[in-house]
Amino acid sequence: QQQVKQSPQSLIVQKGGISIINCAYENTAFDYFPWYQQFPGKGPALLIAIRPDVSEKKEGRFTISFNKSAKQFSLHIMDSQPGDSATYFCAATSGYSTLTFGKGTMLLVSP
Amino acid sequence: DAGVIQSPRHEVTEMGQEVTLRCKPISGHDYLFWYRQTMMRGLELLIYFNNNVPIDDSGMPEDRFSAKMPNASFSTLKIQPSEPRDSAVYFCASSLKTPNSPLHFGNGTRLTVT
Repeated sequence: QQQVKQSPQSLIVQKGGISIINCAYENTAFDYFPWYQQFPGKGPALLIAIRPDVSEKKEGRFTISFNKSAKQFSLHIMDSQPGDSATYFCAATSGYSTLTFGKGTMLLVSP
Repeated sequence: DAGVIQSPRHEVTEMGQEVTLRCKPISGHDYLFWYRQTMMRGLELLIYFNNNVPIDDSGMPEDRFSAKMPNASFSTLKIQPSEPRDSAVYFCASSLKTPNSPLHFGNGTRLTVT
C-alpha cells in the first residue's frame, strides 16, 4: 500500500513536444505529491509539488495534474527542451512520513 | 549555502573491504537521510536521522551496513565487508523541519565493489 507506481520507465520526446509522466498510488492517506528532477551526476532536486485540494498546479512549462478519485497524478512538460533531459521521480507522503518514491522516468528530449 | 556535501564522489574497492561514505548536511536542517540508487530498484531509503538520532533504519539491507551521526554537521554510512551487489550511487539528503519537507540531496557517491 506504500508503493508509488511510475510510468513509463523511459521516454523520448522531440524538442517542442509534450512530455507526460504518470504515477499511481494506493495509500489514500497520501496528501503531498512532489516531483523531483535529477540530472546526470547530480542528486535529485525538488521540481514542483501538489496537494490534493487542487487538481492542477502549473509552474512555467511544468504542470502537475492530480486525479484524487483515480489515485493518479502526472507531470506534463510543455514545449520540452533538450535541457529538460533528466530522470524524473514522482513521490508521495502524508503527515510526518518519509517520501515514497516512484522508480523514475528517464526523459530524453531530442533536438 | 554550499548545499549537502558528500565525499568521496567515487569509490572503487575490492570485495571484503570496508567502505565509509561521508555527508555534511545543510546547516540548520533537522533531518538527514541516506538513500541508495540503482537502475533496478530506483531510490531506496536506507536510514534517516532527526536531530542526530536514528529514527528508522528498516531500509538498511543487512548488518554489514551501519550509519552514524555524531553531530549535526556530519554523518557516515559504513559498509563492512563490502560486496559487489553493494555497487550503487549513495545519496545523502537533508530537510529542514519534517521528513517530507523539500529534500536537498548531495551529488552522491558512486560506489563500485569489484
